[in-house]
Amino acid sequence: QQQVKQSPQSLIVQKGGISIINCAYENTAFDYFPWYQQFPGKGPALLIAIRPDVSEKKEGRFTISFNKSAKQFSLHIMDSQPGDSATYFCAASRAGTALIFGKGTTLSVSS
Amino acid sequence: GAVVSQHPSWVICKSGTSVKIECRSLDFQATTMFWYRQFPKQSLMLMATSNEGSKATYEQGVEKDKFLINHASLTLSTLTVTSAHPEDSSFYICSARDGGRNTGELFFGEGSRLTVL
Repeated sequence: QQQVKQSPQSLIVQKGGISIINCAYENTAFDYFPWYQQFPGKGPALLIAIRPDVSEKKEGRFTISFNKSAKQFSLHIMDSQPGDSATYFCAASRAGTALIFGKGTTLSVSS
Repeated sequence: GAVVSQHPSWVICKSGTSVKIECRSLDFQATTMFWYRQFPKQSLMLMATSNEGSKATYEQGVEKDKFLINHASLTLSTLTVTSAHPEDSSFYICSARDGGRNTGELFFGEGSRLTVL
């Protein structure tokens, strides 16, 4: 059973556009929801994270929207740039345990 | 910020040999470290949870006798791939949680690319 479902698998956005990636989770015990960015050959790097007591969190061009009742959360990248082209993973964990990752979204921002 | 260092970053070995990958937390103490494996164009899959001073907990389907994990100190965990075969070729990534913070954040190493010939 896939605990964290991520969509879309790939995404092409024009420079300056908004990139939106969605995730849904099953386990209501999850209490930490991060998004990671990964470039080829590198380890994942934390972009932004949210806890279920908050519905939205913004850091620069990156925003997480969280819907606890729907068990969904999404990443919005405003003013997308070619340098944002990477693979993005949503993840979830509970009470300090290991992160469970979604399958990833490959984002390409065209100039 | 918290830094996790992995070594080596890439390694090529012959089939049947063993390879050791080190994971160090450079500026924090990590009572728990996690080892992930990532095949090309796939997600990170948890292999095992490593607790300092105790035996690692392996995920279902991961052979504990093949992937030996040792977490002898609060800053070092090692993964040894024993009798490696071509199907073990993958990107191995360790991560650690800073025991001094309660943020839930996991800090990841840069990964180790293993190629078994």
